[in-house]
Amino acid sequence: DAGVIQSPRHEVTEMGQEVTLRCKPISGHDYLFWYRQTMMRGLELLIYFNNNVPIDDSGMPEDRFSAKMPNASFSTLKIQPSEPRDSAVYFCASSFTRVGRTDTQYFGPGTRLTVL
Amino acid sequence: KQEVTQIPAALSVPEGENLVLNCSFTDSAIYNLQWFRQDPGKGLTSLLLIQSSQREQTSGRLNASLDKSSGRSTLYIAASQPGDSATYLCAVKGASNFGNEKLTFGTGTRLTIIP
Repeated sequence: DAGVIQSPRHEVTEMGQEVTLRCKPISGHDYLFWYRQTMMRGLELLIYFNNNVPIDDSGMPEDRFSAKMPNASFSTLKIQPSEPRDSAVYFCASSFTRVGRTDTQYFGPGTRLTVL
Repeated sequence: KQEVTQIPAALSVPEGENLVLNCSFTDSAIYNLQWFRQDPGKGLTSLLLIQSSQREQTSGRLNASLDKSSGRSTLYIAASQPGDSATYLCAVKGASNFGNEKLTFGTGTRLTIIP
């Protein structure tokens, strides 16, 4: 399997622009997670889905952030409008539920976002 | 609210030495604890996962222990190699949130093995 795929790997944009980050989870995985990593705050969970349904979005910083998972093989994280403080590395991860437990999370390589 | 701390933030040791990385958490009601490795510019890779009912897990030169009552976990690396240089993060999943898959991560320890 190719692992979790994220695109783009790097994104540079100007303040106020819309940014869309994309993720393809590992085939067969039923959980998908979006994280943000910064030097100041470390790794933070933004939102996660189970079987394409958002379960916990309490980490989404504000209404400028939105995430969708239209099918089992694709998810997007959108920031509109973007601000310089959104600059971070955004990771997508997926995992698979076995009977009674969830397996470890497999992380993608991340998207480094810079908002000027 | 669960808080996960890793001290020190950075560690440098000569090649061949055994070393211990530390992780502490404030809420002992955990479901499991994981250790991850992160290489520069890369995502995280899971190294070891310890269920709350377990005391330790081993994989090759790595051994992770868990003491829930004291809110601590250690990652022991034997015979360190330059390829072990990376940032190591621990993460806990809370038992009180059973069914919620949220992980709380520590800020990591950046390990450098000196050849």
